Amino acid sequence: DAKTTQPPSMDCAEGRAANLPCNHSTISGNEYVYWYRQIHSQGPQYIIHGLKNNETNEMASLIITEDRKSSTLILPHATLRDTAVYYCIVRVGGDYKLSFGAGTTVTVRA
Amino acid sequence: NAGVMQNPRHLVRRRGQEARLRCSPMKGHSHVYWYRQLPEEGLKFMVYLQKENIIDESGMPKERFSAEFPKEGPSILRIQQVVRGDSAAYFCASSPDRVANYGYTFGSGTRLTVV
Repeated sequence: DAKTTQPPSMDCAEGRAANLPCNHSTISGNEYVYWYRQIHSQGPQYIIHGLKNNETNEMASLIITEDRKSSTLILPHATLRDTAVYYCIVRVGGDYKLSFGAGTTVTVRA
Repeated sequence: NAGVMQNPRHLVRRRGQEARLRCSPMKGHSHVYWYRQLPEEGLKFMVYLQKENIIDESGMPKERFSAEFPKEGPSILRIQQVVRGDSAAYFCASSPDRVANYGYTFGSGTRLTVV
């Protein structure tokens, strides 16, 4: 799987949008971009994934650059409950393994 | 529609004892994946099981660790003769099939403390 690079931490004001960057410059054409988060003491929670088109669901939006070398997860209106470690993972379609890096620790402040 | 259930949530064992961690997948899911998270580290894949079969145990330590997923009942991760270095959070996830181009659902984990 391609390696990903994320900033180690970031702060966000409650109610504002949180934009989480991820660099995956060596991504292959058949690798998807996945985002998970882990709230303290809980299991990872799936957020969203995409191949090359931008995606949106009830939790977040995923913007993938045209060359697919980077992506941004957008939490449109961050709440205190969004404080968590966010993991950007690239995975070949059909591969069952997830490779978790260090992620980005996001702290939402009131 | 219950999610992935893991028990116990917390487990304390003395060095040399056995630890048994249970994972009940989501209803209709026959594939289970175990991950370990050591303190201050990311999750690492351990083993992938389908009902009655171990598909991939490449991430599992060769000694003292074993996993099973019987035809009936939960998947079990067993750690024999535990040592302090086994202290970690153990998570499982499940899926209805092998090719999962969607997000897995994880359980809340079992936190093992070896004293």
